[in-house]
Amino acid sequence: AQSVTQPDIHITVSEGASLELRCNYSYGATPYLFWYVQSPGQGLQLLLKYFSGDTLVQGIKGFEAEFKRSQSSFNLRKPSVHWSDAAEYFCAVVDAGGTSYGKLTFGQGTILTVHP
Amino acid sequence: DGGITQSPKYLFRKEGQNVTLSCEQNLNHDAMYWYRQDPGQGLRLIYYSQIVNDFQKGDIAEGYSVSREKKESFPLTVTSAQKNPTAFYLCASSIGQVKAFFGQGTRLTVV
Repeated sequence: AQSVTQPDIHITVSEGASLELRCNYSYGATPYLFWYVQSPGQGLQLLLKYFSGDTLVQGIKGFEAEFKRSQSSFNLRKPSVHWSDAAEYFCAVVDAGGTSYGKLTFGQGTILTVHP
Repeated sequence: DGGITQSPKYLFRKEGQNVTLSCEQNLNHDAMYWYRQDPGQGLRLIYYSQIVNDFQKGDIAEGYSVSREKKESFPLTVTSAQKNPTAFYLCASSIGQVKAFFGQGTRLTVV
């Protein structure tokens, strides 16, 4: 069964600092990978996704992520964090084939706190 | 505007009651999903439906039921058999595996 691990439950950074949120997945074939962001009490917004091709993908709000097959990782990065980036971030994977039909498997989430 | 509407935003349930959470989408998506979110556990799949009049159990379906009589609607009933229903519930829809759109969620609390 596929699984997603986000090793960091809570990360604190200063505004303007760089950010990297870690995501590791366990899946036999090539997965589709996603990063979502959630503000408190809200739904999820898609930041970016990886299906195939270039392993460095750009998303909204200045985020990017790099797919590394050898490390089974899909880490999210941002060069300079803004206070409005404070939220919870979820990495997710879906079966690129077979019968899963879009069922997302989520990591546990990483809460990002931004200090002024 | 196209999107997914969940209602109500907050819901309170007494012990032993069934409650129904509404999810409506006007995106013309075939697939719809219900997820449950608990702190520190991410989102877990309750039920999903790929087509009208058909639905499948997810990872934590016990104590829940759904129906899919219309393409636009996928209501979730939390039954009295669900022993720990207090959680944040998210509905989503998608066309295939490309992108899932999420509603704003319903927070259910047992009182």
